[in-house]
Amino acid sequence: DAGVIQSPRHEVTEMGQEVTLRCKPISGHDYLFWYRQTMMRGLELLIYFNNNVPIDDSGMPEDRFSAKMPNASFSTLKIQPSEPRDSAVYFCASRRWQGGSPLHFGNGTRLTVT
Amino acid sequence: GESVGLHLPTLSVQEGDNSIINCAYSNSASDYFIWYKQESGKGPQFIIDIRSNMDKRQGQRVTVLLNKTVKHLSLQIAATQPGDSAVYFCAENRAAGNKLTFGGGTRVLVKP
Repeated sequence: DAGVIQSPRHEVTEMGQEVTLRCKPISGHDYLFWYRQTMMRGLELLIYFNNNVPIDDSGMPEDRFSAKMPNASFSTLKIQPSEPRDSAVYFCASRRWQGGSPLHFGNGTRLTVT
Repeated sequence: GESVGLHLPTLSVQEGDNSIINCAYSNSASDYFIWYKQESGKGPQFIIDIRSNMDKRQGQRVTVLLNKTVKHLSLQIAATQPGDSAVYFCAENRAAGNKLTFGGGTRVLVKP
C-alpha cells in the first residue's frame, strides 16, 4: 500500500498567484480530508469528501479556497488568489469508513506565499 | 482538543525510560480516540486507537488509557527510544460523526 500521496512536497509562490495542491488517497478509502497545519492554530480541518462528494466545507477559510474530487483516486485543493497568510503545511488524509477507523495522512505540501 | 499557540508542551525523557503523554478531550459525546506521531517533515502517523467501550488498549511498546469520567486520554511508551522523538497528537471523533478534532500536541525529546 503506497499510502496517501501528495504533490508537490513544497510550493513557493508569489502573492496573487493560483496554487493547486494534489492528493491521491489510499485505494478503497471512502473518505478524503484536507487539513491545514500552522504553529498558531495546529491542525485544522478544511473540507472532507465521502464517495467524491463534498460533505462539510465549513472549515474552508474563504472563497479563495476550493476543493474538488473528480474521482475516487484524485482530489485537488486550489487557492486563488494566494496570500501570505495562506502559508502553511497542507495535509490530505483518507479513511476507510466513518467513525471508527483512523485517518491516514500524506506527508503534506509545504506552501510558502511571498 | 484545542490548538496551542507558538509553544508546544515538551516532555524530555531518558532513553530506556517509560513516557506518559496526557490529553484532555472536550466532547463527552466522542466515542473514538486516536494517537498520532508526527516527525519533522512528515504527516501524522497512526499509532493506536481506542473506542469508548474500552479503558485500555495495548500495542507494541504503547498503551492507551481512556478515562471517560474525567475525559482524559493518555499514551504510554515503554522503553523510550531515540526514534520516539516526535510530536504526539491525540484526536477525538464524535459519535456518528466523521470529523477528527486534534489536540495541540506534545513534543517528546529522548535524551541518549
